[in-house]
Amino acid sequence: KAGVTQTPRYLIKTRGQQVTLSCSPISGHRSVSWYQQTPGQGLQFLFEYFSETQRNKGNFPGRFSGRQFSNSRSEMNVSTLELGDSALYLCASTSPRQDSKTGELFFGEGSRLTVL
Amino acid sequence: AQKVTQAQTEISVVEKEDVTLDCVYETRDTTYYLFWYKQPPSGELVFLIRRNSFDEQNEISGRYSWNFQKSTSSFNFTITASQVVDSAVYFCALRSNDYKLSFGAGTTVTVRA
Repeated sequence: KAGVTQTPRYLIKTRGQQVTLSCSPISGHRSVSWYQQTPGQGLQFLFEYFSETQRNKGNFPGRFSGRQFSNSRSEMNVSTLELGDSALYLCASTSPRQDSKTGELFFGEGSRLTVL
Repeated sequence: AQKVTQAQTEISVVEKEDVTLDCVYETRDTTYYLFWYKQPPSGELVFLIRRNSFDEQNEISGRYSWNFQKSTSSFNFTITASQVVDSAVYFCALRSNDYKLSFGAGTTVTVRA
C-alpha cells in the first residue's frame, strides 16, 4: 500500500514568488493535514481538510492557503514568498476507520522549500 | 491552550544503553490523545504510539516502552538496548478536541556504535 506522496520533494524559489505543493494521501484516506517544520518554530499546524472542506486552520497569514479535491488529493499554496517560509512542509492523512480527531496521522516525506 | 514540552534537546548514548525521552504536556481538556513520532533523516514522521487520556496503562513494544502518568502530565518514552538505527529526532504530540497535533520541540537521539 503506497504511503502519503508529496511533490515536489525539493524546490527553490525567490522572494515574492508563489509555490504550490501537492499531497496524495494513502488510498482511502479522506482527511489531509499540513504542517510546517522549521528549526526555529518546530512543527506547526497549517490546516486540515476532510471531504474538500477545511475544518481547522493554524495561525498562519492569509498567504498560506490550501484545498482538497474530490479524490482527497490536496494542495497548499504560498503566495508572495518570504525568506521565513523556507521550511519542510509535511502532509499527513488519517485512516477513515478512525476519527481524525483521535487517530494517528501518517506523514509523507515532505516538500523542502528554500526561499532565496 | 495546549502545550508539549520536551526538555531534552539532544541525547547521545552508546549502543546497547537505554535512553529515556521525557515529555510533559498541558491541556485543559479531559479527553485528549498523546502520540510519539520518530523522524529519521529522510524527513518522514513515523508513528510510534497513541494513548488516550483514559488509558494509563504502560505499553511495551519490542525495545520501546511508554510510561503515561496523568498525575504528572507526563508521557515518557524509553528505548531499551539502543541501536544505531534508533538515531533520529523523536517528537511527542498532543491532540484534544480539534484536528491539529501540537508537537513538542523534539529530542535528537544519537546512538554511537
